[in-house]
Amino acid sequence: QKEVEQDPGPLSVPEGAIVSLNCTYSNSAFQYFMWYRQYSRKGPELLMYTYSSGNKEDGRFTAQVDKSSKYISLFIRDSQPSDSATYLCAMSPYNTDKLIFGTGTRLQVFP
Amino acid sequence: DSGVTQTPKHLITATGQRVTLRCSPRSGDLSVYWYQQSLDQGLQFLIQYYNGEERAKGNILERFSAQQFPDLHSELNLSSLELGDSALYFCASSARGGETYEQYFGPGTRLTVT
Repeated sequence: QKEVEQDPGPLSVPEGAIVSLNCTYSNSAFQYFMWYRQYSRKGPELLMYTYSSGNKEDGRFTAQVDKSSKYISLFIRDSQPSDSATYLCAMSPYNTDKLIFGTGTRLQVFP
Repeated sequence: DSGVTQTPKHLITATGQRVTLRCSPRSGDLSVYWYQQSLDQGLQFLIQYYNGEERAKGNILERFSAQQFPDLHSELNLSSLELGDSALYFCASSARGGETYEQYFGPGTRLTVT
């Protein structure tokens, strides 16, 4: 079993929809949680970073962490065609910078 | 633009050869990380350097090595290349000090081994 599980998708939604992307993890030592967006053949771009349970909002993006369930989510409101990309969750224990990535969910937002 | 630069963008080489990938971190960042992204393995952490010293190691093959220089740029050396080494190689950097922890990725080097 992988330490971080992420549904690969693809997820196809109409423009304006609310998108929910999720990851589950098995290592209770994970303390830092990040979401990256990766366009095809480009470097991952950091979207959200959090280190505690609860919600964190940044514009159209909301990151949610539930440590008791070992579950994290990224919500995208009012999705746009430019949001079409692969979304990667990543996490790390407290005492190391080593990031463990999910396999990524491919999102397509159609006009 | 994350501020992390990587060269070259593309590299095509033959099996058994050796290549060097270069990374310059964001201004002020002390940590450099190397990752490999392949279709079947996803993004895998290889190695981290902090201010010139190796800090953490991941799934890095013995044929691969890295170093970080006094000006903080880093190089990843891949030798005795095999077909399976074909992948995207990313460098990331972080400040690794105070409260800043986020890792910022460069555009990557696409390595093709033929």
